[in-house]
Amino acid sequence: DVKVTQSSRYLVKRTGEKVFLECVQDMDHENMFWYRQDPGLGLRLIYFSYDVKMKEKGDIPEGYSVSREKKERFSLILESASTNQTSMYLCASSRNTGMVGRETQYFGPGTRLLVL
Amino acid sequence: KQEVTQIPAALSVPEGENLVLNCSFTDSAIYNLQWFRQDPGKGLTSLLLIQSSQREQTSGRLNASLDKSSGRSTLYIAASQPGDSATYLCAVGGRGSARQLTFGSGTQLTVLP
Repeated sequence: DVKVTQSSRYLVKRTGEKVFLECVQDMDHENMFWYRQDPGLGLRLIYFSYDVKMKEKGDIPEGYSVSREKKERFSLILESASTNQTSMYLCASSRNTGMVGRETQYFGPGTRLLVL
Repeated sequence: KQEVTQIPAALSVPEGENLVLNCSFTDSAIYNLQWFRQDPGKGLTSLLLIQSSQREQTSGRLNASLDKSSGRSTLYIAASQPGDSATYLCAVGGRGSARQLTFGSGTQLTVLP
């Protein structure tokens, strides 16, 4: 069964702290993604990775960085947390099937981050 | 830049009713379109995936259609049940290196017993 896990369900941090959000998938997927979800704005892509050590910016990368040292793990880093980064963070993964259009993304349960 | 719109933002229906959720997108150069379900405070669950060459997909009481030329998709739910209450998200798969998805902001569905 497909599984994407995120290190924390709820997290409370202070402004200026460095925050690490971890995501692990057990499906040997090539692609991994980090989104944030805010009311009325839907899911917005922060960063994604299509291979180990490869990363690309999504739509809203400012204030974030990522790390993918191993295929199964994709970390999102908030270098200096700010209150406007309070949000729900969702990780996802997908396989490069070679069959264009058939890639489904599998999501983790999300981490709700509150920055005070 | 791809934009995805879902209307209405919220919908409330009595149990047993058939209903349609709408999704529109601005760029027809897509690889696929997916419908997801999200329960409160949870992650997303994929419901249906329609490849760009397909017109529709069905799974149980759910039927999703895709009209690329007009930039529209619909999700039809037959004989709705209270357990169908959730937020339904439409996402369009683009041509990026990892087939990134662009999401709509969702329709919050409440099915009243």
